[in-house]
Amino acid sequence: QKEVEQNSGPLSVPEGAIASLNCTYSDRGSQSFFWYRQYSGKSPELIMSIYSNGDKEDGRFTAQLNKASQYVSLLIRDSQPSDSATYLCAGGGSYIPTFGRGTSLIVHP
Amino acid sequence: EAQVTQNPRYLITVTGKKLTVTCSQNMNHEYMSWYRQDPGLGLRQIYYSMNVEVTDKGDVPEGYKVSRKEKRNFPLILESPSPNQTSLYFCASSLQLHNTGELFFGEGSRLTVL
Repeated sequence: QKEVEQNSGPLSVPEGAIASLNCTYSDRGSQSFFWYRQYSGKSPELIMSIYSNGDKEDGRFTAQLNKASQYVSLLIRDSQPSDSATYLCAGGGSYIPTFGRGTSLIVHP
Repeated sequence: EAQVTQNPRYLITVTGKKLTVTCSQNMNHEYMSWYRQDPGLGLRQIYYSMNVEVTDKGDVPEGYKVSRKEKRNFPLILESPSPNQTSLYFCASSLQLHNTGELFFGEGSRLTVL
């Protein structure tokens, strides 16, 4: 059974801080990983994809992948209240991407 | 505007009454998929389709059917809905067959089965 594990949270950070969201996966064959943001009552929206070990930066977001440790993370710098949402980690490599259950992030002013 | 459109967005029905949730995408994507999302269980894939007339089961296919007669459409059919199918349903599509984690989601269909 392929699994992607996330702490459900909530993770609460003050505005302007760095939010760190983590994810582990069980399938060593997974080649690609994704972070989705889902606001309450809305559909998931892709915010980051990462395919190789190391860091990938896009604006305030940095995704980190460590295949040896089977670990994926998402850093959000200068967190804003508008970043408050549930963040879903997903692992791919087949035609059935596996989603984690999501981490709820709350950014308080 | 590139989008995935689902209908209906909200539906309350009764046990055993057949229903269809439609999904249409205007991005010429080959890959389409249906998910259900339940509290504490996350997103679970029901069925997916690689192309016209090519469909396969996901993790939770029981009680559902799909068809892919046209590239843009991928309806989800509940032949005899039951209360345990009360859920939030998402249709999603992807351009790349080999990298189907980059998904575009529809707005969701909230289904209640009484």
